[in-house]
Amino acid sequence: NAGVTQTPKFQVLKTGQSMTLQCAQDMNHNSMYWYRQDPGMGLRLIYYSASEGTTDKGEVPNGYNVSRLNKREFSLRLESAAPSQTSVYFCASSGREATSTDTQYFGPGTRLTVL
Amino acid sequence: DQQVKQNSPSLSVQEGRISILNCDYTNSMFDYFLWYKKYPAEGPTFLISISSIKDKNEDGRFTVFLNKSAKHLSLHIVPSQPGDSAVYFCAASDGGSARQLTFGSGTQLTVLP
Repeated sequence: NAGVTQTPKFQVLKTGQSMTLQCAQDMNHNSMYWYRQDPGMGLRLIYYSASEGTTDKGEVPNGYNVSRLNKREFSLRLESAAPSQTSVYFCASSGREATSTDTQYFGPGTRLTVL
Repeated sequence: DQQVKQNSPSLSVQEGRISILNCDYTNSMFDYFLWYKKYPAEGPTFLISISSIKDKNEDGRFTVFLNKSAKHLSLHIVPSQPGDSAVYFCAASDGGSARQLTFGSGTQLTVLP
């Protein structure tokens, strides 16, 4: 039982390049989330998916797109990376049922640097 | 405007003593509160939570207190241990779609041996 897994762990991009961050969970959770963490700012929600087939914007969605590929997988895409997107990205999941616990379980993170 | 605030970026405590981490919130719709602990190069891990219908929740050395009238919650760790040294995030949910969490900026706790 691996919980929430993320790939890659580290990535360096040049401005304008694109990439996709992958996330998978094996807890049969309905909801999945993407956050970014910047120094002194805590975690900010980029996008979330309340259930398979749905996605919604969070607090800081600009420059990102997401895909809820199936119940297990939720990917985050940067179409044209910018230095302002240098950050640590965390994926999380929660809830076997749509209205159950708020507790979210996090992956280990992807450290992204955009030059 | 930050809806969840942790005003102390850092806290140092002697081993064996009590650690008290504080969190304030402004959104009266928040009905569920959580504390997460984060070590360097790892994801946040869930520590303890409390519903707005309670004012205290305990789990071993960790106790969370909620004061709804003051919109304030605190995490007490007794006794503190060097392994507790980490960044602690306070988070809150208003029960909306997908139970989104709003996080504070974190407090770095250092427990000195």
